[in-house]
Amino acid sequence: KAGVTQTPRYLIKTRGQQVTLSCSPISGHRSVSWYQQTPGQGLQFLFEYFSETQRNKGNFPGRFSGRQFSNSRSEMNVSTLELGDSALYLCASSVLGTSGRSEQFFGPGTRLTVL
Amino acid sequence: AQTVTQSQPEMSVQEAETVTLSCTYDTSESDYYLFWYKQPPSRQMILVIRQEAYKQQNATENRFSVNFQKAAKSFSLKISDSQLGDAAMYFCAKGDAGNMLTFGGGTRLMVKP
Repeated sequence: KAGVTQTPRYLIKTRGQQVTLSCSPISGHRSVSWYQQTPGQGLQFLFEYFSETQRNKGNFPGRFSGRQFSNSRSEMNVSTLELGDSALYLCASSVLGTSGRSEQFFGPGTRLTVL
Repeated sequence: AQTVTQSQPEMSVQEAETVTLSCTYDTSESDYYLFWYKQPPSRQMILVIRQEAYKQQNATENRFSVNFQKAAKSFSLKISDSQLGDAAMYFCAKGDAGNMLTFGGGTRLMVKP
């Protein structure tokens, strides 16, 4: 079974631009979560989508948004990029939808650099 | 806000020896899941072991085992017979509502040959 895939793997943008990251979960997984990893703040939860609905959201500004499609693939969008948005963005998928009950499988991440 | 704390930023262990990584957490729930994830230099997060809070028995996975102290809100990871491939960042995490994971700050484990 193929694992979680994320595209692109590396991305360089300039301040003020917007970016879209993509995540394809493991086949059959309906929950997709996004995390931001930085040296200063560590791993922080962005949001989770389950059956095309945002179910949970972390403490990030409205510039960070996402969506999930009917095939469970998810996209994350960051508008008006700031230098502080430079990070590794990780996507995780899981098969069950209940609270903290299922193992989450992580993708390799997208490394975003904002210049 | 729920918090997960890893008090050891770095740990070192000799190959074949045993090492224990510490983790404490804060919660008002009685039923929850706890996890240890490994992140090697490739950055791919890999689940090492998980513990269900309602189970008193400590989870084990081959060379990896946990010491879960529910009353103390402590969840340490023991790695036995350490191997060079165990060198990585290790993150303790608590499962919260809607599949959200709250991570600790991580412990960098170095394995000396």
